[in-house]
Amino acid sequence: GQNIDQPTEMTATEGAIVQINCTYQTSGFNGLFWYQQHAGEAPTFLSYNVLDGLEEKGRFSSFLSRSKGYSYLLLKELQMKDSASYLCAVWDSNYQLIWGAGTKLIIKP
Amino acid sequence: ETGVTQTPRHLVMGMTNKKSLKCEQHLGHNAMYWYKQSAKKPLELMFVYNFKEQTENNSVPSRFSPECPNSSHLFLHLHTLQPEDSALYLCASSQEGPYNEQFFGPGTRLTVL
Repeated sequence: GQNIDQPTEMTATEGAIVQINCTYQTSGFNGLFWYQQHAGEAPTFLSYNVLDGLEEKGRFSSFLSRSKGYSYLLLKELQMKDSASYLCAVWDSNYQLIWGAGTKLIIKP
Repeated sequence: ETGVTQTPRHLVMGMTNKKSLKCEQHLGHNAMYWYKQSAKKPLELMFVYNFKEQTENNSVPSRFSPECPNSSHLFLHLHTLQPEDSALYLCASSQEGPYNEQFFGPGTRLTVL
């Protein structure tokens, strides 16, 4: 079956760095997305990785290893507004978008 | 209006009611999606429309009926729902094709009594 695993919840301190991991087992791979979803709001796009390596975009970076079925989202200089759920999603070989359950990130002062 | 809008934002209905959810996108996209989001569960894709044609129906019960009259509007008609259908229903749009990010609406919080 197809599966995406993310930690359910993580806690970090304002100003620190946090890494949110995502592992996937899917029938093929055509790219991986990260979305951010604040409580009561719509998910918003953060990043898209299709090749191995690190993509950096400001305070957020996303890493992909296709051979390991693994990605992570790295958030630097954490701010209180980064408290949200972070969703990992993978396009499989049939171009179905498979979603993880999301990681709730709690930022403490 | 910009982006993807959804109405109503909140809906409470009985199991015998009929109601409709509306989604509108102002982004010029040609693909639209309905998702169900339940607490602590992955997003569940319900329906996909590309160029107004339905291309995906992930074994959704017939009590959910989609309608896409044009590429900017998407409806989800609800009839004789069950309490377990209570969830956040999200609409999204994108350019057609697998590599394009999806833009989500704010969702409709549905409660079935």
